Amino acid sequence: NAGVTQTPKFQVLKTGQSMTLQCAQDMNHNSMYWYRQDPGMGLRLIYYSASEGTTDKGEVPNGYNVSRLNKREFSLRLESAAPSQTSVYFCASSPIILQGPNEQYFGPGTRLTVT
Amino acid sequence: AQRVTQPEKLLSVFKGAPVELKCNYSYSGSPELFWYVQYSRQRLQLLLRHISRESIKGFTADLNKGETSFHLKKPFAQEEDSAMYYCALIYSLISGYSTLTFGKGTMLLVSP
Repeated sequence: NAGVTQTPKFQVLKTGQSMTLQCAQDMNHNSMYWYRQDPGMGLRLIYYSASEGTTDKGEVPNGYNVSRLNKREFSLRLESAAPSQTSVYFCASSPIILQGPNEQYFGPGTRLTVT
Repeated sequence: AQRVTQPEKLLSVFKGAPVELKCNYSYSGSPELFWYVQYSRQRLQLLLRHISRESIKGFTADLNKGETSFHLKKPFAQEEDSAMYYCALIYSLISGYSTLTFGKGTMLLVSP
C-alpha cells in the first residue's frame, strides 16, 4: 500500500514552460486535492475533486488546471509557468468529502522552482 | 469566512519543558478541528482530531468554543517532537462539499 504518490519529486522550469504534476492513490478514496505550500502562508487549496468525474476550484486556482483521470489519479497542470508558482505542491486524498470529519492523506510533495 | 490563526511562526523550547502551540479559529458553523504534523523531509500526517479526544505521542488538544481555540499541548517536550505543526479546520465549500483550511503553521524546535 503506497498511499498517495506524486511525481516528480523535484522540477525546475523556465517561465512560460508547461508541465503536469501527477498524483495517484491506492486507498480507493473518493476525494482528491491539490495544495501549495509556501513559507509563511501554510497550505492553500488549489483545486479539489469530490469524486471521479468532478473538479472544482479551491482558494488559489489561477494559473492551474486539473484532470481527474480516474478514481486513482488526479493531475495538476501548469500551462505557462510563472515565478510566483514556485512552491511545494502536495496532493491529498480522503475517503469521502460530504460527511466530515474525514482525514486527508498527503503525498510526499513536489518541489517546483520556476526561474 | 473561515480562518485559522497560528500566531507563532516559531516556538523554541528545551527538552522536558511544557509545550503549547496556539490555534484560534473563526467559523460560523460547528467547527471540526485537526492538528497535522510535518517532520523534516516527510509528508504531512494527521496528529489528532478534536472529536476523538485522544492523546497522540503525548499531545492533547481541547476545543474551547468560548475562546474559539484549539491549542496543542504536551507536558514534556522531546527532541523528536521538532517539526512543523499545522492546525486545520473543516469548512463547507460553495459546492456543498467540505475540505480543510490550514493555519500558516508553527515550527517547534526542541533543544537538548
